[in-house]
Amino acid sequence: AQKITQTQPGMFVQEKEAVTLDCTYDTSDQSYGLFWYKQPSSGEMIFLIYQGSYDEQNATEGRYSLNFQKARKSANLVISASQLGDSAMYFCAMRERGGSYIPTFGRGTSLIVHP
Amino acid sequence: NAGVTQTPKFRVLKTGQSMTLLCAQDMNHEYMYWYRQDPGMGLRLIHYSVGEGTTAKGEVPDGYNVSRLKKQNFLLGLESAAPSQTSVYFCASSYGEQHTDTQYFGPGTRLTVL
Repeated sequence: AQKITQTQPGMFVQEKEAVTLDCTYDTSDQSYGLFWYKQPSSGEMIFLIYQGSYDEQNATEGRYSLNFQKARKSANLVISASQLGDSAMYFCAMRERGGSYIPTFGRGTSLIVHP
Repeated sequence: NAGVTQTPKFRVLKTGQSMTLLCAQDMNHEYMYWYRQDPGMGLRLIHYSVGEGTTAKGEVPDGYNVSRLKKQNFLLGLESAAPSQTSVYFCASSYGEQHTDTQYFGPGTRLTVL
């Protein structure tokens, strides 16, 4: 069974609008971490944001925020005021005790920002 | 700080040839990982290491071997390359195993096996 599910293979957004990229996860652990990475067309993997399972506040890094809904086991990435440079693949990942804290990744969502 | 580096960046092999991919990190990280990325599949873990001299299998280890003789280096070997090993290979490292530890990635190696 998939530990990390990203149900949106592709998303489109207009420049300057906000967009939400979905991520649901499957774990029975109490202690885990959730990560989002960006992969532009140049290929490198860029760390964006982290959310710990015990964090009460949603994580925020600049225009990126993580909408963490623990009961629903979702960790959606919200990008505010989209820019053309946000066009990329986005991957959600999780570290959990049951997986020896070795990160597992979702299959990714392709985001295209239109001018 | 160079972070995580990978050599080579590109390589074309013929079926049956062997090669070694080198990953180096200068962040004194204990944990290192090798992933492969295929279209629509995300990142799949091949092997990982929790410290110098140790290695462990990941999700897709068949056809690959690894070594971690020095803390800063993690080598991925293909003894007899197959077309199914055509992929983009990423190395990553992290300080430790805690759920808070972020992975840092190298730039990737694009391998084509003919």
